[in-house]
Amino acid sequence: AQSVTQLDSQVPVFEEAPVELRCNYSSSVSVYLFWYVQYPNQGLQLLLKYLSGSTLVESINGFEAEFNKSQTSFHLRKPSVHISDTAEYFCAVRGSGGYQKVTFGTGTKLQVIP
Amino acid sequence: DVKVTQSSRYLVKRTGEKVFLECVQDMDHENMFWYRQDPGLGLRLIYFSYDVKMKEKGDIPEGYSVSREKKERFSLILESASTNQTSMYLCASSFRIGGSPLHFGNGTRLTVT
Repeated sequence: AQSVTQLDSQVPVFEEAPVELRCNYSSSVSVYLFWYVQYPNQGLQLLLKYLSGSTLVESINGFEAEFNKSQTSFHLRKPSVHISDTAEYFCAVRGSGGYQKVTFGTGTKLQVIP
Repeated sequence: DVKVTQSSRYLVKRTGEKVFLECVQDMDHENMFWYRQDPGLGLRLIYFSYDVKMKEKGDIPEGYSVSREKKERFSLILESASTNQTSMYLCASSFRIGGSPLHFGNGTRLTVT
């Protein structure tokens, strides 16, 4: 069984300030980890993913996430947010074995304040 | 670019009706998924399919069924719609390789009255 916990349902932050969106997971097998972003009235888009190797992964628009196996976390960070980052962010986990189920967290709404 | 197309953006149905939600992907993905999204609950997996005619129950399959007769098409069926099935429904697809990300459609907002 696997699960994902996103403790913060909403995170308000001023423009150009740093932000961290927290994600913790549990799984009985090795996992792949993902962050997705959902803009209003759209489906989800992949932001970044951790498969193996370097524990720090980056997206093209300045977000980064660090896989911490001992703390079973995959927190998302950005050093300086823009208004356009206002969206809902979902953390997801997928087992590395044959079972293909993908489990999502409950999401965190990032509100960037001008 | 991967395209996942859901046939309807908005749908309004009456209680007791049989409802079909259609999803088509154009990337030859083996896996296809149906999720429902509700405020505060995130995305919950209803069913997924890893091959034609193959399906697995997700976390909330009650009241739903699915059909996958062709690789590119995955249908979600509400046998007898109820008001508690009012929700946003998201279809997704991916390659079978474990690290492959999901590609999502834009969703169908279903209202059951």
